[in-house]
Amino acid sequence: DQQVKQNSPSLSVQEGRISILNCDYTNSMFDYFLWYKKYPAEGPTFLISISSIKDKNEDGRFTVFLNKSAKHLSLHIVPSQPGDSAVYFCAATRTSGTYKYIFGTGTRLKVLA
Amino acid sequence: KAGVTQTPRYLIKTRGQQVTLSCSPISGHRSVSWYQQTPGQGLQFLFEYFSETQRNKGNFPGRFSGRQFSNSRSEMNVSTLELGDSALYLCASSQDRGTGELFFGEGSRLTVL
Repeated sequence: DQQVKQNSPSLSVQEGRISILNCDYTNSMFDYFLWYKKYPAEGPTFLISISSIKDKNEDGRFTVFLNKSAKHLSLHIVPSQPGDSAVYFCAATRTSGTYKYIFGTGTRLKVLA
Repeated sequence: KAGVTQTPRYLIKTRGQQVTLSCSPISGHRSVSWYQQTPGQGLQFLFEYFSETQRNKGNFPGRFSGRQFSNSRSEMNVSTLELGDSALYLCASSQDRGTGELFFGEGSRLTVL
């Protein structure tokens, strides 16, 4: 049962344009969401997070949007740069108790120069 | 401060053997989680340890086990290796639960022949 889904395995975007990566979840108990970026031969690194009490969080070129009613979140990268080419994972968890982090299958972003 | 350290980085085993992977978390972090990354499956949660106790466990067979020591270092063991166990095994540490982000190591790449 894949509770966190990233339905697009890959995405190609021109440099300078917007990249939009999507993530859907099924568990309504999730209340904290994170995005991680992973380069080959490296571990994932934290990018940005959002609590369910918000619908938007921004950090420089990266913005995460959360639509709780649709159980959907998205990561916007504006403008996209070649160095953003990586695999992006979304993750979800419940902050109460000791629930684990559930990750999606990842989306490989390629930013074309 | 030093990041999450995983050893060994690469290893090759044959079917039926067993393997032990090690993870040293960031100093002060008491929670250690393990994930398996395979193509198309994203990051699959294995287990999480906090103060030497397993707090969460994923849906993996009993061949996969782990432990955490008093200094928060953690090991995971896979016995009776199968070809399908070939994967990147990632360790992540965090201070505690809640909204803390996970800090990942670079992973241990296991190849089973």
